[in-house]
Parts: sequence; C-alpha cells; structure tokens
Amino acid sequence: ELKVEQNPLFLSMQEGKNYTIYCNYSTTSDRLYWYRQDPGKSLESLFVLLSNGAVKQEGRLMASLDTKARLSTLHITAAVHDLSATYFCAGYYNTDKLIFGTGTRLQVFP
Amino acid sequence: GAGVSQSPSNKVTEKGKDVELRCDPISGHTALYWYRQSLGQGLEFLIYFQGNSAPDKSGLPSDRFSAERTGGSVSTLTIQRTQQEDSAVYLCASSSRPGQSSGANVLTFGAGSRLTVL
Repeated sequence: ELKVEQNPLFLSMQEGKNYTIYCNYSTTSDRLYWYRQDPGKSLESLFVLLSNGAVKQEGRLMASLDTKARLSTLHITAAVHDLSATYFCAGYYNTDKLIFGTGTRLQVFP
Repeated sequence: GAGVSQSPSNKVTEKGKDVELRCDPISGHTALYWYRQSLGQGLEFLIYFQGNSAPDKSGLPSDRFSAERTGGSVSTLTIQRTQQEDSAVYLCASSSRPGQSSGANVLTFGAGSRLTVL
C-alpha cells in the first residue's frame, strides 16, 4: 500500500519569505499531484508531475518530482497572504487509487 | 454537468440513523472516488469505481458503509446505523480515466457533504 507523508504538517511563515514543503512516498508512483484546499472549501488541482525530474511552476509556487528518491517538493517563493491554505500531495497506487498525504497547513502572516 | 455535484451539502442526523449521500460526477468521467475528511485531517480513501468494473472497496471503514454507482454515473454512499465517529466531510471526485500513464488524470472534486452525527 502506498503511503504518502508530508512535512511539515503546519507552516507559519512571514510574507516575502521562501519555504519548501516535502512529500515522501513509500512505493513506486510515476505521477505526483499537488492540490490546494482553502478553509471550508473543496480541493483544487495545482500541479501534475508526470515523470522523473518534472518541474512545474505557477506564480510563486514551484513543484518538482524525483521518482528515484520518491520525493516531491512544493517551493514557495516570496510568500503572500493569498497562499494561506492547506496543500496536499497525492500519488497513484496500483494505477487506480489516488492516495493523499497528510496535508500541510500554511499560514502566511504580514 | 460542469462540475461534480454533491448532495446534501450538510446533513445532521441522530446516532443510529441511516444516511445517504449523493454524487453526480462530470459527464463522461468513468472514474469516481469517495473520500472522507475528518476535521483538520487529511483525505481518507473510501471507495473507487471505474466503468463497469467491480469497485475497489478497500477503504470502507466498516460494513456499515456501502456505495453504489448506477448506470456508470450517479453514485450513492450509504452509512447505516451512524455513529458519532462518522462525522466528517465526505468528498466525491471524478476523472476521465485513472492510472493512464499518458495522461494527467486529474481528479475534480465536489464541494463535499458535511455529515454531523449527534
């Protein structure tokens, strides 16, 4: 069974600072997804990483995938308040079951 | 439809009652998932449907939980004899085809059904 672990679980950061969220997974998963969830809302897809070495960027967020290390990262550059949300990574197990990580709750303060 | 539709959005019930939660996926999406999210927690996989194949029920927490998908479209998650620990948000998601290595297969989530068991 695929296990997906994220760290940190909670992140409080000042506006303008940089930080990285880490996502480790236990078995082979050739695709990795990042989702965002705002409080009281459902999940919104951010990135899909389809191969080893893949890098995707949108705005202040950049995601990468290292399948050999079974690691994906979500890097935040010059954080702003609007990025405050919970971020989940997820990987497919047996090609059909999408398993989510524990989530990282991000709070950006002035 | 344009998105994944779930109903009811909120359900308050008494312990021991049965509840049904409905999910209407995006038209044409063959894969449908149910997840449970307890307060402040991550997403717990419950069940997965793909086309006419037998569903993957490996995440259902007990035999009080069951789900159906009729005609490859609408799905109903049923919880019998509800317990307080069943209180959570139940999220439904659909995608065009899971596990396809050549495609992105992003799940689109509904807004969820918040269940409160008193």
